[in-house]
Amino acid sequence: DTEVTQTPKHLVMGMTNKKSLKCEQHMGHRAMYWYKQKAKKPPELMFVYSYEKLSINESVPSRFSPECPNSSLLNLHLHALQPEDSALYLCASSQAPGTGQYTGELFFGEGSRLTVL
Amino acid sequence: KNEVEQSPQNLTAQEGEFITINCSYSVGISALHWLQQHPGGGIVSLFMLSSGKKKHGRLIATINIQEKHSSLHITASHPRDSAVYICAVGTSGSRLTFGEGTQLTVNP
Repeated sequence: DTEVTQTPKHLVMGMTNKKSLKCEQHMGHRAMYWYKQKAKKPPELMFVYSYEKLSINESVPSRFSPECPNSSLLNLHLHALQPEDSALYLCASSQAPGTGQYTGELFFGEGSRLTVL
Repeated sequence: KNEVEQSPQNLTAQEGEFITINCSYSVGISALHWLQQHPGGGIVSLFMLSSGKKKHGRLIATINIQEKHSSLHITASHPRDSAVYICAVGTSGSRLTFGEGTQLTVNP
């Protein structure tokens, strides 16, 4: 199984809503990533979890709250978002950097397309 | 100047044509990735390479470390190859630096 599964595929929310994006992988990867991608732009790194601990936060606003409850799951909790947060949110996983198994290869999910009204 | 430059930005080809997309980078890298993104959004890793050449089906990727340049070639292109192709370089740890992407359209 080389899949990274993201749900939901599409999400529309108001600025006062609270919602969550979910990501799951069963490849035994111990690093998981959230990226944000605006139309016709490359992905931008938001967060990296390594061994279920947050290792990189790219100065993301606190209205985005990541959570890694176990080695297979990664959530992104959304609260009080702005219309400019509308984007494709991509999850990825890899072997953990700094370990003997790390190859550098990332496996991406299909993304969750978020629209904030 | 971006650390990763791709060319061309847009490419239109007729089915069957040989296609080349180029990527130049200005930083030290651990590996270079070629990624494919279809309109639906998901990203597929095509190649990861740090030297030489790799081939998978009709796709070939090459890298010249001394010249800091990589190319992605598609032989016998097909409309289903239409997608955005992204070059990304691994720098420190797990960080990737992405190029702006090349939009490829292959017409039947």
